[in-house]
Amino acid sequence: SYVLTQPPSVSVAPGQTARITCGGNNIGSKSVHWYQQKPGQAPVLVVYDDSDRPSGIPERFSGSNSGNTATLTISRVEAGDEADYYCQVWDSSSDHPGVVFGGGTKLTVL
Amino acid sequence: EVQLVESGGVVVQPGGSLRLSCAASGFTFDDYTMHWVRQAPGKGLEWVSLISWDGGSTYYADSVKGRFTISRDNSKNSLYLQMNSLRTEDTALYYCAKGVGDGYNLDYWGQGTLVTVSS
Repeated sequence: SYVLTQPPSVSVAPGQTARITCGGNNIGSKSVHWYQQKPGQAPVLVVYDDSDRPSGIPERFSGSNSGNTATLTISRVEAGDEADYYCQVWDSSSDHPGVVFGGGTKLTVL
Repeated sequence: EVQLVESGGVVVQPGGSLRLSCAASGFTFDDYTMHWVRQAPGKGLEWVSLISWDGGSTYYADSVKGRFTISRDNSKNSLYLQMNSLRTEDTALYYCAKGVGDGYNLDYWGQGTLVTVSS
């Protein structure tokens, strides 16, 4: 089955740029979606189809996807961005198609 | 306003059965694919199952295939998950989520219902 690999943690100072990677075999050929989950809350979609933002999501959140790595970039990081972030794809390549999530990355704002 | 409200989570013994429900409002329910996603305590997100808008297509994670059944009643704007042969590793917060676009990304989520499998 398809595997998405994320770093367990990323730390960044306020005002700096955070980059969270999501690795997968030829992930550039898939549409990647990103979710933010704060403690005790349900996940929120922050980027879909590699680089689009749902309404209400700040422009500080952006995404890219090429080759074997997709990246969520958060510019001008704020304390309120501290959360777990998950990448997600639809894997149609196996005998058992399904939604796949990465293991998640905890973003710490120093 | 889109709302998804899950219910049915309880403490159940290993080998037992349970049916979760999700009541949807604020959108045209029968236009959209729907999903169940779970999260074990302190762990990441794990996709469980999806059902197409008309119930004609369903998919399951390997970990639940043959034990769980997803269904929907479009006349009641409701999504269901029948869970049989429950195992301790099925203990998790179960989220109902709405699919968008091609159906495979999830733009709205409920707050979840907690299933605990324990003797």
